[in-house]
Amino acid sequence: AQRVTQPEKLLSVFKGAPVELKCNYSYSGSPELFWYVQYSRQRLQLLLRHISRESIKGFTADLNKGETSFHLKKPFAQEEDSAMYYCALLNSGGYQKVTFGTGTKLQVIP
Amino acid sequence: KAGVTQTPRYLIKTRGQQVTLSCSPISGHRSVSWYQQTPGQGLQFLFEYFSETQRNKGNFPGRFSGRQFSNSRSEMNVSTLELGDSALYLCASSFQGTGEEEAFFGQGTRLTVV
Repeated sequence: AQRVTQPEKLLSVFKGAPVELKCNYSYSGSPELFWYVQYSRQRLQLLLRHISRESIKGFTADLNKGETSFHLKKPFAQEEDSAMYYCALLNSGGYQKVTFGTGTKLQVIP
Repeated sequence: KAGVTQTPRYLIKTRGQQVTLSCSPISGHRSVSWYQQTPGQGLQFLFEYFSETQRNKGNFPGRFSGRQFSNSRSEMNVSTLELGDSALYLCASSFQGTGEEEAFFGQGTRLTVV
């Protein structure tokens, strides 16, 4: 069974400090991984996906198959980054049956 | 273009009742997925519909059902409501429902069972 683990419920960092939101997954096949973000009073929205290897709003995430991790990183946190972040896994070749982690609330302290 | 619309936004029901939630996808999107979001369990996949057919189903009891209409609008039904069904129910739509696409989420329906 596929599983996504986000060990931290809350992560507090000071503005300008580096951020790393942890995500580990369990999946027997080749996973497709995503990070979703939900800002206060806004809809859940896609932040980035590993297949795109993109940087969005300064965030990057690298898939490490050896460690089965997909940690989200940003070198310098901004106040507007405060939000709930969800790591998600889609079974490869499959349709929208996505497994989400329980989420990490990022709080950037001014 | 209009986003994913879920109605109603808020709902209060009594234990034992049944409820129907509606989701209108973005125009042109044919895949609609439903999720239950609770503080304890996070986001859990309920089911996904594509062209009026259920393609995937999560691990929820048979009290949770859904359907999709020819215009891609989808409804979710929960029968014999339990207190534990209180949650935010989200739907998401995309063109084909594959991993290469972005799924767009609605604002959700907040269901409270008393």
